[in-house]
Amino acid sequence: DTAVSQTPKYLVTQMGNDKSIKCEQNLGHDTMYWYKQDSKKFLKIMFSYNNKELIINETVPNRFSPKSPDKAHLNLHINSLELGDSAVYFCASSQSWTSGGFGEQYFGPGTRLTVT
Amino acid sequence: DAKTTQPPSMDCAEGRAANLPCNHSTISGNEYVYWYRQIHSQGPQYIIHGLKNNETNEMASLIITEDRKSSTLILPHATLRDTAVYYCIVLPNNNAGNMLTFGGGTRLMVKP
Repeated sequence: DTAVSQTPKYLVTQMGNDKSIKCEQNLGHDTMYWYKQDSKKFLKIMFSYNNKELIINETVPNRFSPKSPDKAHLNLHINSLELGDSAVYFCASSQSWTSGGFGEQYFGPGTRLTVT
Repeated sequence: DAKTTQPPSMDCAEGRAANLPCNHSTISGNEYVYWYRQIHSQGPQYIIHGLKNNETNEMASLIITEDRKSSTLILPHATLRDTAVYYCIVLPNNNAGNMLTFGGGTRLMVKP
């Protein structure tokens, strides 16, 4: 079984559209993350949720809205897509920071978003 | 978070040990050293972490100097599948506001 899964793997869409990326983890972790990797391969955190509560919200446009229906899922919804949103988006999960295990994160395979 | 410095690239012959260095001279007493790698077109993969003692697992060994200002990740018998970008990251392990910050890493090329 895949520990952290994302759908879709590839997403091609036009500017102005709204799209969602889904993430699920079956590791029993309390904390989930979204990262963005741009064309220069720099990987930056966007959001972190712990037990469905937002704990990290980096400088990300409010067009990006994470939603955690339960602690095994963290979805990313993007409104009014722009060319600059083209990137690979990775979901990850870890134990809660309270257990001291949040540095050991498990990543999904990524979703390659292309905005045309 | 403490800043880390890694060489941008390294080569290693298949079957030989790959020793990847990392400098973290401003590391604080409560900061751990984490290593991740990212194989092409895949998500980052956790390898190992440590505080001050050397650590070993099924993937690699982590050697941290006594003053904790540098560390070395050792892949004892590198294979072609170990070709990846390797990231050294330092961070405290006890604060919800802390996060993994990936720098440029070291691009390791394992050659036949």
